[in-house]
Amino acid sequence: GQQVMQIPQYQHVQEGEDFTTYCNSSTTLSNIQWYKQRPGGHPVFLIQLVKSGEVKKQKRLTFQFGEAKKNSSLHITATQTTDVGTYFCAATEYGNKLVFGAGTILRVKS
Amino acid sequence: DAGITQSPRHKVTETGTPVTLRCHQTENHRYMYWYRQDPGHGLRLIHYSYGVKDTDKGEVSDGYSVSRSKTEDFLLTLESATSSQTSVYFCAISEVSRGQGYNEQFFGPGTRLTVL
Repeated sequence: GQQVMQIPQYQHVQEGEDFTTYCNSSTTLSNIQWYKQRPGGHPVFLIQLVKSGEVKKQKRLTFQFGEAKKNSSLHITATQTTDVGTYFCAATEYGNKLVFGAGTILRVKS
Repeated sequence: DAGITQSPRHKVTETGTPVTLRCHQTENHRYMYWYRQDPGHGLRLIHYSYGVKDTDKGEVSDGYSVSRSKTEDFLLTLESATSSQTSVYFCAISEVSRGQGYNEQFFGPGTRLTVL
């Protein structure tokens, strides 16, 4: 089955600094989804990317899908304490299944 | 939040005992999933269902069984719990995709299971 590698595993930033997490696959992905999980909470869907080279923005969050559809990134500009949590990428497989990356834990110092 | 509940929310049990976790949805979504979450592993699919009485194995299905006798309920059973099954278990639902890509999954609040 598919595997997605996500880096870094953990990042601790000062409030106001930027943050980026990367998701990589050895195979071409049909699409990729991003989820956020707050501490003690459950994963919540953020966005889905489908097209090669696609870029989508949600306020301070920018999502990119690589030209070869083998990698993706999530960039947060000027982090806030509300951004803390774990960010997961997930690749879709047949049958409406998802394969999740291991996640990047973001901590923000105020 | 989507109408998904999980019960129990917390459970402590002993090795060798059977355990059943329940996921209940009020969204009438076709697909239901059981994941386990462990540090450093993200979310790993245990079993999923694509309709009533239609289920299939996921990545980490050994030691688990599932049943779905009606649209709204998806049960996960640990026939004989082991300490390696100590984890947080999440149920998720999704609907049939009608466009490009796949529909997002909505997650329940999770069940924290400890096997002593």
